[in-house]
Amino acid sequence: EVQLVESGGGLVQPGGSLRLSCAASGFTFSSYSMNWVRQAPGKGLEWVSYISSSSSTIYYADSVKGRFTISRDNAKNSLYLQMNSLRAEDTAVYYCARDHGGSGIPDYWGQGTLVTVSS
Amino acid sequence: QSVLTQPPSASGTPGQRVTISCSGSSSNIGSNYVYWYQQLPGTAPKLLIYRNNQRPSGVPDRFSGSKSGTSASLAISGLRSEDEADYYCAAWDDSLSVAVFGGGTQLTVL
Repeated sequence: EVQLVESGGGLVQPGGSLRLSCAASGFTFSSYSMNWVRQAPGKGLEWVSYISSSSSTIYYADSVKGRFTISRDNAKNSLYLQMNSLRAEDTAVYYCARDHGGSGIPDYWGQGTLVTVSS
Repeated sequence: QSVLTQPPSASGTPGQRVTISCSGSSSNIGSNYVYWYQQLPGTAPKLLIYRNNQRPSGVPDRFSGSKSGTSASLAISGLRSEDEADYYCAAWDDSLSVAVFGGGTQLTVL
């Protein structure tokens, strides 16, 4: 069974940093691209970033480019999102999601971790 | 403003058939697969349809997807109360090099 468990969310002040982690199990992590997708309270889904299985290809949404960094450790079956210069509009539930066949579109999703940016 | 356009709401009565549309452009729906998700309140999205019209195992055949040109549709037949949820479409956009989602459609079962 595919399992994705996010951690690292919490309350942070504007301008601050946070690192999200995602622990993957139930599939061969090193063979799959991965994504981060977020959802602001009461809003729709917003794709954040994509990383290929070997980390050779990375994409970001314009809204986070230059502030967020996606990375992975295939030896630890883990995905990360380093978030710097956080803004109030980054407040959202952040989902780790497995990529479907390199399409850039998720199939399996974690339960999400809430990031709140507020003073 | 989402790149993919969905109606904000839809409704139907039990047993009825409802469709949800998703409109895009040549750089996303027009040239890539469309995916559909169901999100029940307080839960993570669940994949309903992949590659335009394929159902993952475990998804009832009451759910079906189609695509024509730069638009796609999700159809739900034999509507049930447990289908009440938010539905999202998604596709990769070749021009933007990003994944794009529709704004979501809230389905109400009357």
